[in-house]
This record gives sequence, structure tokens and C-alpha cells, in this order.
Amino acid sequence: NAGVTQTPKFRILKIGQSMTLQCTQDMNHNYMYWYRQDPGMGLKLIYYSVGAGITDKGEVPNGYNVSRSTTEDFPLRLELAAPSQTSVYFCASSFGLAGGPTYNEQFFGPGTRLTVL
Amino acid sequence: AQSVTQLDSQVPVFEEAPVELRCNYSSSVSVYLFWYVQYPNQGLQLLLKYLSGSTLVKGINGFEAEFNKSQTSFHLRKPSVHISDTAEYFCAVANYGQNFVFGPGTRLSVLP
Repeated sequence: NAGVTQTPKFRILKIGQSMTLQCTQDMNHNYMYWYRQDPGMGLKLIYYSVGAGITDKGEVPNGYNVSRSTTEDFPLRLELAAPSQTSVYFCASSFGLAGGPTYNEQFFGPGTRLTVL
Repeated sequence: AQSVTQLDSQVPVFEEAPVELRCNYSSSVSVYLFWYVQYPNQGLQLLLKYLSGSTLVKGINGFEAEFNKSQTSFHLRKPSVHISDTAEYFCAVANYGQNFVFGPGTRLSVLP
């Protein structure tokens, strides 16, 4: 049982490049989340998903896209990288009741440290 | 809208001393409260949570927190800290139908 796994661990991008951050969970959780963590700012929600085929915007979605084709995977896409997207990105998952976001415990991956130069 | 304030960005404390990390929230409805810990270069893991019932909540690694509705607080305490408690601690609030809102974090440094 690996929990939530993220790849890559580190990445350096040039301005304008694109990349996909991968996230996989093996706990059969229906909810998945992407956060970014900036120093002194806590975690900000980028996108979340309540199940396969369903995604929604969080607090800071601009510049990102997501898809959820399976229960296990929730990739985050950066299309045109900008220096403002330099951050640590965390994927998380949780189990929740149908009908809305959940207050159950979220399980986090180890993070991806992204630098855009 | 919900918000979370963690009044101390950094807390240095000597080993075996007690510590309190403060968390205040604002919400117009009933809330669920959480403390997460992040060790260096790792993801977040749950320390404890308050959903309902007793206002004193015990978590892992000897931590506890007390929910105070009148003061809208959920302070985290430990009577005697260890070097291994050095980490960043995040308070979070949620209510049904809303996503989690995390505070900015408090960096706890335990000194020998």
C-alpha cells in the first residue's frame, strides 16, 4: 500500500515550457486534490475532483489544467510555465460522501518541487 | 468565507519544554478542525482532528488540541517536546460543503 505517489520529485522548467505532474493513489479514494505551497502562505487549492470524470476549480486554478479519467490518477498540467508557478505541489486524496467536498482526513503525497526560470 | 490564522510563524523552544501553537479561525457555521504536521521534505500528515464531541482532542506523538468555540480557537499543545518534533505545523478548517482552508503554518524548532 503505497498511499499517494507523485512524480517527478524535482523539475526545472524554462518559461513557456509545458509539463504534467503525475499523482496516483491506491486507497480507492474518490476525492483527489492538487495544492501548491509557497513559503509563509500555507497550502492553496488548485483543483479538486470528487470522482472519475468530475473536476472543479479551487482557489488558484489559473495556468493549470487537470483530468480524472480513473479513480487512481489525477495529473496536473502546466501549459505555459511562468516564474509565478515556482512552488511545491502536493497531491492529496480522501474518501468522501457523494454530493460535495468532504471533511475527512486528506492523505498527502511527498510533493513535487518545481522551479520555473 | 472561512479563514485560518496562525499567529506565530516561528516558535523556537528548548527540548523537554512545553509548547503551544496557536490557531484561530473565522467561520459563520459549524466547523471541523485539523492539525497537520510536515517534516522536512515530506508531505503533510494528520496529527489530530476535531469533528464533534469532546473539545479536548488527543493526537499522535503526544500532541493534543482544545476546541474553544467562543474564542474560535484550536490551539495545539504538547507538554514536553523532542528534537524530532521539529517541523512545520498547519491548522486547517473545513465545513460540510466546503473545501479545506489551511493556515500559513508555524515552524516549530526544538533546540537541544
